[in-house]
Amino acid sequence: QVQLVQSGAEVKKPGASVKVSCKASGYTFTRHHISWVRQASGQGLEWMGWMDPDSGDTGYAQKFQGRVTMTRSTSISTAYMELSSLRSEDTAVYYCARGPKVWGQGTLVSVSS
Amino acid sequence: DIQMTQSPSSLSASVGDRVTITCRASQDISNYLAWLQQKPGKAPKSLIYAASSLQSGVPSKFSGSGSGTDFTLTISSLQPEDFAIYYCQQYNAYPYTFGQGTKLEIK
Repeated sequence: QVQLVQSGAEVKKPGASVKVSCKASGYTFTRHHISWVRQASGQGLEWMGWMDPDSGDTGYAQKFQGRVTMTRSTSISTAYMELSSLRSEDTAVYYCARGPKVWGQGTLVSVSS
Repeated sequence: DIQMTQSPSSLSASVGDRVTITCRASQDISNYLAWLQQKPGKAPKSLIYAASSLQSGVPSKFSGSGSGTDFTLTISSLQPEDFAIYYCQQYNAYPYTFGQGTKLEIK
């Protein structure tokens, strides 16, 4: 079945970077865009950006421009989201999603000194 | 960016009730509207896509309607497992945007 499986929880210090992976299975990876969404504790869903796994093209929410990079490895059907210059406000669960229909299980990123 | 306004923000209902949640887009999004359900500590789960198409495996007690700017999610015969947070999401244009969520609580 169609599935997105994300990497495990991360703990980072302020100023560091984090890279979260999202491995796709059950479909042709290059045929569907991947989006990244985050959710701080007790808050709503916040869309961060998208990536076309075929071309590598990306688009980022203005809020994250300059700090986020979305990449992929087509050979292993995996998308990546890297967020740099982390601050405490970046503590959240990060999700990858294929359209609105398929979601990864989420990756908790905690930023603390 | 397309703004999604969801109402109500919270809703108290009893088991067996029927409830309706609305979502309004700030511009025409055709039928590129999804409804998601989220339970505590879990990833969002797709219920409805294309405004009214039921995701595979989702019970028919969930139904969606609307097009353009105004959309509704109706849940009939509420059961304990239906009490959760519901979000609408537009996927007509990037950046994809979400409503602020509706918390459905047991009365």
